[in-house]
Amino acid sequence: DAGITQSPRHKVTETGTPVTLRCHQTENHRYMYWYRQDPGHGLRLIHYSYGVKDTDKGEVSDGYSVSRSKTEDFLLTLESATSSQTSVYFCAISDRGRGFDTQYFGPGTRLTVL
Amino acid sequence: AQKVTQAQTEISVVEKEDVTLDCVYETRDTTYYLFWYKQPPSGELVFLIRRNSFDEQNEISGRYSWNFQKSTSSFNFTITASQVVDSAVYFCALSDGGATNKLIFGTGTLLAVQP
Repeated sequence: DAGITQSPRHKVTETGTPVTLRCHQTENHRYMYWYRQDPGHGLRLIHYSYGVKDTDKGEVSDGYSVSRSKTEDFLLTLESATSSQTSVYFCAISDRGRGFDTQYFGPGTRLTVL
Repeated sequence: AQKVTQAQTEISVVEKEDVTLDCVYETRDTTYYLFWYKQPPSGELVFLIRRNSFDEQNEISGRYSWNFQKSTSSFNFTITASQVVDSAVYFCALSDGGATNKLIFGTGTLLAVQP
């Protein structure tokens, strides 16, 4: 158990509304990631963080922003949700500084944009 | 560019059959890591194995075994004597092991084990 929680676990929202998803970890891991999972695409990287206030874009970052003001929290924001952002969102951690190159995933958040 | 291909979209077997899930990858890196994850119907992603590009030894863990062949860029996963609890989506993934350790996933294989 990598001590990762995601909130909310389920959310239904309307097109055009802002949405923030939270990833919280309890083990002081340096690296955190946000992925989305869609049928036929597997998981694709949205954004990642390599430390407090250090973030960068992934493969599918358009329409998303992130923030990391504390080591334990990594927030994913959809500024104006669209139906194409209906997906399951997974947060992951790894701590390569300690030689761990494996990513461990949170339980996921299912987001529906109507 | 890196790419992972899981050509088998769905596989259905009867309990106790052996089944192999295929994974083919593309990368120009000499150092890279390969992974398998399991996603059961409950939805969480469970890490199964990590292999680095310098270690071509096959691995066996109980009923699970992995065959890594650099010559064919493949990292196949075999379940021996499958059980209903093995029913899940299985993802193969690739990382360049670089500074950011980003994962590139295949599209997954849905394995259904019938009783």
